[in-house]
Amino acid sequence: DGGITQSPKYLFRKEGQNVTLSCEQNLNHDAMYWYRQDPGQGLRLIYYSQIVNDFQKGDIAEGYSVSREKKESFPLTVTSAQKNPTAFYLCASSIQVGQPQHFGDGTRLSIL
Amino acid sequence: QQQVKQSPQSLIVQKGGISIINCAYENTAFDYFPWYQQFPGKGPALLIAIRPDVSEKKEGRFTISFNKSAKQFSLHIMDSQPGDSATYFCAASINTDKLIFGTGTRLQVFP
Repeated sequence: DGGITQSPKYLFRKEGQNVTLSCEQNLNHDAMYWYRQDPGQGLRLIYYSQIVNDFQKGDIAEGYSVSREKKESFPLTVTSAQKNPTAFYLCASSIQVGQPQHFGDGTRLSIL
Repeated sequence: QQQVKQSPQSLIVQKGGISIINCAYENTAFDYFPWYQQFPGKGPALLIAIRPDVSEKKEGRFTISFNKSAKQFSLHIMDSQPGDSATYFCAASINTDKLIFGTGTRLQVFP
Protein backbone atom coordinates (compact mmCIF):
# COMPACT_ATOMS: atom_id res chain seq x y z
CA ASP A 1 0.00 0.00 0.00
CA GLY A 2 1.18 3.53 -0.75
CA GLY A 3 1.77 5.80 2.19
CA ILE A 4 4.11 7.68 4.47
CA THR A 5 6.22 5.90 7.05
CA GLN A 6 7.67 7.75 10.01
CA SER A 7 10.11 6.09 12.34
CA PRO A 8 10.55 5.61 15.16
CA LYS A 9 7.13 6.17 16.76
CA TYR A 10 8.73 7.25 20.06
CA LEU A 11 12.17 8.81 20.45
CA PHE A 12 14.08 9.97 23.48
CA ARG A 13 16.93 12.45 23.40
CA LYS A 14 19.48 13.49 25.95
CA GLU A 15 20.25 17.15 26.44
CA GLY A 16 22.82 18.40 23.91
CA GLN A 17 22.30 15.59 21.42
CA ASN A 18 21.19 15.82 17.82
CA VAL A 19 18.55 13.34 16.71
CA THR A 20 17.21 12.47 13.25
CA LEU A 21 13.61 11.58 12.48
CA SER A 22 12.93 9.46 9.43
CA CYS A 23 10.20 10.04 6.83
CA GLU A 24 9.76 7.86 3.75
CA GLN A 25 6.96 8.00 1.15
CA ASN A 26 6.12 5.70 -1.74
CA LEU A 27 3.39 7.91 -3.21
CA ASN A 28 5.73 9.40 -5.84
CA HIS A 29 4.95 12.86 -4.45
CA ASP A 30 7.24 15.78 -5.26
CA ALA A 31 6.49 17.85 -2.15
CA MET A 32 7.25 16.86 1.43
CA TYR A 33 6.77 18.68 4.73
CA TRP A 34 7.66 18.56 8.41
CA TYR A 35 5.30 19.90 11.06
CA ARG A 36 5.54 20.22 14.79
CA GLN A 37 2.38 19.72 16.84
CA ASP A 38 2.04 21.02 20.39
CA PRO A 39 -1.15 20.96 22.49
CA GLY A 40 -3.38 23.92 21.67
CA GLN A 41 -1.12 25.21 18.87
CA GLY A 42 -2.14 23.13 15.91
CA LEU A 43 0.38 22.25 13.23
CA ARG A 44 3.32 24.55 12.66
CA LEU A 45 5.46 24.17 9.55
CA ILE A 46 9.17 23.53 10.16
CA TYR A 47 10.52 22.88 6.66
CA TYR A 48 9.14 21.89 3.30
CA SER A 49 10.59 20.65 0.04
CA GLN A 50 9.02 21.15 -3.37
CA ILE A 51 11.44 18.88 -5.20
CA VAL A 52 14.60 16.82 -4.72
CA ASN A 53 17.64 18.82 -3.59
CA ASP A 54 15.48 21.80 -2.68
CA PHE A 55 13.91 22.86 0.62
CA GLN A 56 12.62 26.02 2.28
CA LYS A 57 12.24 27.14 5.87
CA GLY A 58 8.80 27.17 7.36
CA ASP A 59 7.57 29.21 10.30
CA ILE A 60 9.69 27.59 13.03
CA ALA A 61 12.88 26.35 11.33
CA GLU A 62 15.34 27.47 14.02
CA GLY A 63 17.08 24.50 15.64
CA TYR A 64 16.11 22.09 12.86
CA SER A 65 17.74 20.93 9.63
CA VAL A 66 16.61 18.78 6.70
CA SER A 67 17.91 17.17 3.53
CA ARG A 68 16.16 15.95 0.38
CA GLU A 69 18.63 13.76 -1.51
CA LYS A 70 15.97 11.33 -2.72
CA LYS A 71 12.39 11.91 -3.80
CA GLU A 72 11.02 9.41 -1.30
CA SER A 73 12.97 10.55 1.76
CA PHE A 74 12.93 13.76 3.82
CA PRO A 75 14.73 13.28 7.17
CA LEU A 76 14.50 15.92 9.89
CA THR A 77 17.35 16.55 12.34
CA VAL A 78 16.51 18.16 15.65
CA THR A 79 19.72 19.83 16.73
CA SER A 80 20.93 20.73 20.21
CA ALA A 81 20.11 24.35 19.30
CA GLN A 82 16.40 23.54 19.56
CA LYS A 83 15.72 24.47 23.18
CA ASN A 84 12.29 22.95 23.50
CA PRO A 85 12.24 19.87 21.26
CA THR A 86 9.62 17.83 23.12
CA ALA A 87 6.69 17.56 20.70
CA PHE A 88 4.83 15.37 18.23
CA TYR A 89 6.46 15.60 14.79
CA LEU A 90 4.46 14.95 11.64
CA CYS A 91 5.72 14.37 8.12
CA ALA A 92 3.47 14.89 5.09
CA SER A 93 3.67 14.75 1.32
CA SER A 94 1.63 16.00 -1.62
CA ILE A 95 1.76 15.76 -5.40
CA GLN A 96 2.94 19.37 -5.35
CA VAL A 97 2.85 22.23 -2.83
CA GLY A 98 -0.72 23.39 -2.18
CA GLN A 99 -2.32 20.07 -3.13
CA PRO A 100 -3.92 17.70 -0.57
CA GLN A 101 -1.36 16.56 1.95
CA HIS A 102 -1.07 12.99 3.21
CA PHE A 103 0.36 12.56 6.69
CA GLY A 104 2.37 9.90 8.44
CA ASP A 105 1.50 8.76 11.96
CA GLY A 106 4.12 10.92 13.61
CA THR A 107 7.09 10.59 15.93
CA ARG A 108 6.82 11.66 19.55
CA LEU A 109 10.12 13.11 20.74
CA SER A 110 10.88 13.48 24.45
CA ILE A 111 13.86 14.80 26.36
CA LEU A 112 15.42 12.55 29.02
CA GLN B 1 -2.98 38.10 7.32
CA GLN B 2 -1.74 34.56 6.88
CA GLN B 3 -3.57 33.25 9.97
CA VAL B 4 -6.56 30.97 10.05
CA LYS B 5 -8.55 31.35 13.26
CA GLN B 6 -10.47 28.28 14.43
CA SER B 7 -13.16 27.95 17.09
CA PRO B 8 -14.17 26.49 19.43
CA GLN B 9 -11.05 24.93 20.95
CA SER B 10 -13.15 22.04 22.26
CA LEU B 11 -16.68 20.83 21.65
CA ILE B 12 -18.89 18.31 23.42
CA VAL B 13 -21.89 16.96 21.52
CA GLN B 14 -24.42 14.27 22.27
CA LYS B 15 -24.75 11.33 19.91
CA GLY B 16 -27.08 12.23 17.05
CA GLY B 17 -26.48 15.95 17.41
CA ILE B 18 -24.86 18.40 15.01
CA SER B 19 -21.23 19.41 15.52
CA ILE B 20 -20.21 22.78 14.11
CA ILE B 21 -16.63 24.06 13.88
CA ASN B 22 -15.83 27.49 12.50
CA CYS B 23 -12.81 29.04 10.81
CA ALA B 24 -12.09 32.60 9.71
CA TYR B 25 -9.37 34.04 7.53
CA GLU B 26 -8.15 37.45 6.41
CA ASN B 27 -6.29 36.81 3.18
CA THR B 28 -8.79 36.95 0.31
CA ALA B 29 -6.26 35.27 -1.96
CA PHE B 30 -6.80 31.91 -0.23
CA ASP B 31 -8.42 29.57 -2.72
CA TYR B 32 -8.31 26.11 -1.15
CA PHE B 33 -9.89 25.20 2.19
CA PRO B 34 -9.47 21.63 3.49
CA TRP B 35 -10.53 20.05 6.77
CA TYR B 36 -8.43 17.36 8.44
CA GLN B 37 -9.45 14.81 11.07
CA GLN B 38 -6.90 13.49 13.57
CA PHE B 39 -7.30 10.60 16.01
CA PRO B 40 -4.99 10.32 19.06
CA GLY B 41 -1.53 9.05 18.16
CA LYS B 42 -2.21 9.29 14.42
CA GLY B 43 -1.49 11.80 11.70
CA PRO B 44 -4.24 14.04 10.33
CA ALA B 45 -6.28 12.68 7.42
CA LEU B 46 -8.00 14.80 4.77
CA LEU B 47 -11.73 14.79 5.43
CA ILE B 48 -13.26 17.20 2.93
CA ALA B 49 -12.16 20.31 1.03
CA ILE B 50 -13.76 23.23 -0.80
CA ARG B 51 -12.76 25.95 -3.22
CA PRO B 52 -14.36 29.44 -3.11
CA ASP B 53 -16.39 28.99 -6.29
CA VAL B 54 -19.02 27.01 -4.34
CA SER B 55 -20.82 27.86 -1.08
CA GLU B 56 -21.34 24.33 0.18
CA LYS B 57 -19.92 20.86 -0.26
CA LYS B 58 -21.36 17.72 1.28
CA GLU B 59 -19.80 14.29 1.67
CA GLY B 60 -21.96 11.90 3.67
CA ARG B 61 -22.53 13.37 7.14
CA PHE B 62 -19.84 16.04 6.65
CA THR B 63 -20.62 19.42 5.08
CA ILE B 64 -18.43 22.47 4.49
CA SER B 65 -20.25 25.80 4.35
CA PHE B 66 -18.28 28.66 2.79
CA ASN B 67 -19.08 32.36 3.12
CA LYS B 68 -16.73 34.29 0.86
CA SER B 69 -17.97 37.76 1.84
CA ALA B 70 -17.56 37.04 5.54
CA LYS B 71 -14.26 35.20 4.98
CA GLN B 72 -15.50 32.28 7.02
CA PHE B 73 -15.97 28.58 6.49
CA SER B 74 -17.33 25.90 8.75
CA LEU B 75 -17.55 22.14 9.13
CA HIS B 76 -20.89 20.59 10.05
CA ILE B 77 -21.07 16.98 11.21
CA MET B 78 -24.64 15.73 11.09
CA ASP B 79 -25.85 12.85 13.28
CA SER B 80 -22.58 12.96 15.24
CA GLN B 81 -21.31 9.56 16.42
CA PRO B 82 -18.85 8.57 19.17
CA GLY B 83 -16.50 7.44 16.38
CA ASP B 84 -16.32 11.06 15.21
CA SER B 85 -14.53 11.99 18.44
CA ALA B 86 -11.23 13.41 17.21
CA THR B 87 -9.39 16.69 16.67
CA TYR B 88 -10.39 18.63 13.58
CA PHE B 89 -8.17 21.15 11.78
CA CYS B 90 -9.19 23.64 9.13
CA ALA B 91 -6.58 24.97 6.72
CA ALA B 92 -6.18 27.35 3.80
CA SER B 93 -3.75 27.93 0.98
CA ILE B 94 -3.14 30.22 -1.99
CA ASN B 95 -2.81 28.41 -5.30
CA THR B 96 0.35 26.37 -4.94
CA ASP B 97 1.59 27.89 -1.69
CA LYS B 98 1.86 25.93 1.54
CA LEU B 99 -1.13 25.21 3.80
CA ILE B 100 -1.86 27.41 6.82
CA PHE B 101 -3.54 25.39 9.58
CA GLY B 102 -5.98 26.47 12.27
CA THR B 103 -5.24 25.58 15.90
CA GLY B 104 -7.62 22.61 16.03
CA THR B 105 -10.91 21.67 17.71
CA ARG B 106 -11.18 18.66 19.97
CA LEU B 107 -14.59 17.07 19.46
CA GLN B 108 -16.06 14.63 21.95
CA VAL B 109 -19.31 12.87 21.12
CA PHE B 110 -21.02 11.18 24.05
CA PRO B 111 -23.55 8.34 23.73
